[in-house]
Order: sequence, then C-alpha cells, then structure tokens
Amino acid sequence: EVQLVESGGGLVQPGGSLRLSCAASGFTFSSYWMHWVRQAPGKGLVWVSRINSDGSSTSYADSVKGRFTISRDNAKNTLYLQMNSLRAEDTAVYYCARVVNSGYSPGDAFDIWGQGTMVTVSS
Amino acid sequence: QSALTQPRSVSGSPGQSVTISCTGTSSDVGGYNYVSWYQQHPGKAPKLMIYDVSKRPSGVPDRFSGSKSGNTASLTISGLQAEDEADFYCCSYAGSYVWVFGGGTKLTVL
Repeated sequence: EVQLVESGGGLVQPGGSLRLSCAASGFTFSSYWMHWVRQAPGKGLVWVSRINSDGSSTSYADSVKGRFTISRDNAKNTLYLQMNSLRAEDTAVYYCARVVNSGYSPGDAFDIWGQGTMVTVSS
Repeated sequence: QSALTQPRSVSGSPGQSVTISCTGTSSDVGGYNYVSWYQQHPGKAPKLMIYDVSKRPSGVPDRFSGSKSGNTASLTISGLQAEDEADFYCCSYAGSYVWVFGGGTKLTVL
C-alpha cells in the first residue's frame, strides 16, 4: 500500500525549532518529487515547499523562505522539514504529499497525502 | 504568491450539478495547464480529484470534471450526492517551482 506517515509535530515556543519527518512506503520514493503543504486551524491549504527526486533542487513559499529547509534521505525513504525561527502564524497541520508522476515533473499535482502532523507555536 | 480566488461556498440539491470557479492570473492558472482540484472532508487529508486541468485519477467518479478558460479554472460536479459535501480547493503551478492554492470552497448538499 502506498503510504505517507508524518511525525515530529508538537508544541514549540515562538522562535523555536522543530523537524518534521514523513516516512514513505509502497512506492519508489527516490523517483518522486515531494512537497509539504500546511493548513492552519479552520483555514485553507497553503503550499510550503518542494524538493526534487534526488534532493538537489528545492523551493519555498515566501512566507517560510530562509526559515524552513526541506530535505530527504532516499536511503531511509524519508522526507524532512526543518523549521526554525517559528512564529505563531506557522501553527498548522503539516502534510507531506507525493506528486502524480515519477521523474522530472514540474507543475505536477499531489496524489498521495499523509494524515498530517500538528505544529503549535505558542508561549 | 497570492492565493487563487474561489467562492466561499456553493450548494446544490442531490442530483443537480454545481460548478466551483478558481480565478488566478496569467502567471499561474492562465499560464500553465497544471490546475488541480482537491476534496477535503472534515478532519481528513485532501484527496486529488482532478489534475492537469481536466484529468481524473483512477477511482474518481466521472461526475467530477475540470476545465479552464483564460485565468479561470472550474470544477463541475454533476449528479450531486450527499457524500460530495466537503471543502474543495484548487491549486495551480505558478512557475519557478512554486505552487499556489485557492482559499477553498465549502460545498453543501441540500
């Protein structure tokens, strides 16, 4: 079964750091671009970051650029999101998502989603 | 990276058809055939319903269809069923490896 499972969420103080993980199974993880998408409580989906299949290229939403770092370990079938200098407005459920097509896939949609992990930034 | 514009809510009776619009700019919706639509039930992860403007993933009923004209994409749901009630989000590639979502539309089946 194709599956993504996020972990690492929790309560953190403003200015703090947190690292999210996303464990992939049931498909050739190293062949797919991966993304992080977040959703603040009661709000809509917001794209956060993307990484290509070998980890050599990344991109970020302006709201997290310079604070968040996406990475992956293809040997461990795991995607990461390192979040630093956290703010109250970063409070959200964070989803990892796989794209539809393997290989080079600019613009591709997100067909497999994890269940999400909640990050709360509060003092 | 401004959010795409969707109506806050739409509604329809069982068996009817509804259309949800998603308006962007020539830099996102109008510039690429990479519009996708997601259905999200409360407390659940989003589910891909349409990608590349009008393609349906395996398992998605053909009652769901997508289209695009200029800077506006649309999702049409025909033969509304009670289980279609959910939030729907559009998403577009915006170039330079950046994606943008719409604000979401709540579909109510009357």
